[in-house]
Amino acid sequence: EAGVAQSPRYKIIEKRQSVAFWCNPISGHATLYWYQQILGQGPKLLIQFQNNGVVDDSQLPKDRFSAERLKGVDSTLKIQPAKLEDSAVYLCASSRQGTGEQYFGPGTRLTVT
Amino acid sequence: AQSVSQHNHHVILSEAASLELGCNYSYGGTVNLFWYVQYPGQHLQLLLKYFSGDPLVKGIKGFEAEFIKSKFSFNLRKPSVQWSDTAEYFCAAQHGSSNTGKLIFGQGTTLQVKP
Repeated sequence: EAGVAQSPRYKIIEKRQSVAFWCNPISGHATLYWYQQILGQGPKLLIQFQNNGVVDDSQLPKDRFSAERLKGVDSTLKIQPAKLEDSAVYLCASSRQGTGEQYFGPGTRLTVT
Repeated sequence: AQSVSQHNHHVILSEAASLELGCNYSYGGTVNLFWYVQYPGQHLQLLLKYFSGDPLVKGIKGFEAEFIKSKFSFNLRKPSVQWSDTAEYFCAAQHGSSNTGKLIFGQGTTLQVKP
C-alpha cells in the first residue's frame, strides 16, 4: 500500500510570511496526526484528527497555526505568520482504527529566515 | 506530565558489538510503548511495539526490547549491530487506554556503527 504522502519536502520562507503543508494519509486510515520535530528533539504532537474532527489540539499554537481535514482524508497545516522558532520538520502520520501503530510520512523541512 | 527519556544522545559502536539503548517513561497508567527508527534520508519506521502480554518484544532486523514495569523502562537491544543499523532511534509512549492517542517521544539516540 502507498505510504503517507507530504508536500512540499522543503520550504524556506522569511519570518512573518505564511506557509502551508499538505498531507495525504494511507487509504482507510481514519486518524491523522501532525507532529513538529525541532532539530535535536523528538517529534511533538501539534494536532490529531479522527476522520474530519479534531481530537487533540492542546499543543497547537492557535494564534498562528491552523489545520483542517476536510472530507476526512487529506489535511493541510498552515502557519501564519511564521517565526524563526517554527523552523522544524513537520511530520504527518496516520493510523488505522484499533491498531495503535502510526505510519509517518517523509516530512516537510521548514526553514524560517 | 507524561514524558519519555532516552539516556544516550549519541552512541558509537563497532560492527558486531552488542547494543542497548535506554528508555524510561513517566506515566501513571497503562501505557503502550514503541521504538521507531529513522535511517539517513528516510522517514520514521516502526521497529517494534509493546501493548500487553510477553514483556520481551521482538521486532524487525533482529531488534528486541524488554518492558520492565517496575523500572518504567523499555530498553532496546540487539546482540550484534551492523553498519546498516546506523540511524536515529526514538522511544515513544502512548496512553494504553487509547491506541489512537498521540505518541510522546524521547529526544532520540543517534547510533553510529563503524565498519
